[in-house]
Amino acid sequence: ETGVTQTPRHLVMGMTNKKSLKCEQHLGHNAMYWYKQSAKKPLELMFVYSLEERVENNSVPSRFSPECPNSSHLFLHLHTLQPEDSALYLCASSQGTSRGAETQYFGPGTRLLVL
Amino acid sequence: DQQVKQNSPSLSVQEGRISILNCDYTNSMFDYFLWYKKYPAEGPTFLISISSIKDKNEDGRFTVFLNKSAKHLSLHIVPSQPGDSAVYFCAASGASGGSYIPTFGRGTSLIVHP
Repeated sequence: ETGVTQTPRHLVMGMTNKKSLKCEQHLGHNAMYWYKQSAKKPLELMFVYSLEERVENNSVPSRFSPECPNSSHLFLHLHTLQPEDSALYLCASSQGTSRGAETQYFGPGTRLLVL
Repeated sequence: DQQVKQNSPSLSVQEGRISILNCDYTNSMFDYFLWYKKYPAEGPTFLISISSIKDKNEDGRFTVFLNKSAKHLSLHIVPSQPGDSAVYFCAASGASGGSYIPTFGRGTSLIVHP
C-alpha cells in the first residue's frame, strides 16, 4: 500500500466510448503525475500537476484530458481512443517537483484495453 | 530519443549471486538518479537513489554506483534473493524550468532462480 489508489484497475472500452481514470493520494503531496507504460517502452510521462497547476504536458494527444480538482485527486478523461492507446496507466505523487531527491509514489495502475 | 537507456531487457541470476543492472544516460544536466522496482500488478516503488556529488550509495543488499564521466550507473544486489525478481526502472532528473521531473528507462526484468 503506497498511499496512492487508482480506479478502475482494469478497463475495456471501445473507440467511441468516453471513460475516466481516477487517482487519489493520501500522502499530503503537492504534485501528481500520469504515466503511460506500454510493453517494452520506457515509462512515458503524460502530465504533471504541481499545486493543482499543470506544469508539464508532453505533447499528449487531445483524446487524453487531465483534470486536477485538488491536490489529492487526479483524473484522466478518455475519449475516442485508439487501439494503440492500450497500456498500463500509472498515477504517481510526490512532495513537490523542486528537488531531484523527490521520490515518487505510484498507484497500482489501470490496465486499459481499447477495442 | 531516449535520454535514459537500460539496454538489457532481462537478466537471470542464481540465488545468492550478485545481480548487476545497468543504466546509461545522455543528458549531462541530470544530477539525481533513482531506481524503482516493480512487481506485476503493482506500481513501481522507490528502491535507492544517488546524487551526482556521490559515486556510491549503499542500502543493505542494494548499492548504486555512478560514473559521471561515462554517464553510467549500475545497481548491485548482493546476495540476490528470489523475492528480488521484478522489473527494475532507472530514472534520472535534473532541473528543467525549475522543476525536477524524472525520465525513466524501459526497465530490466530480473529473475532470480532458487
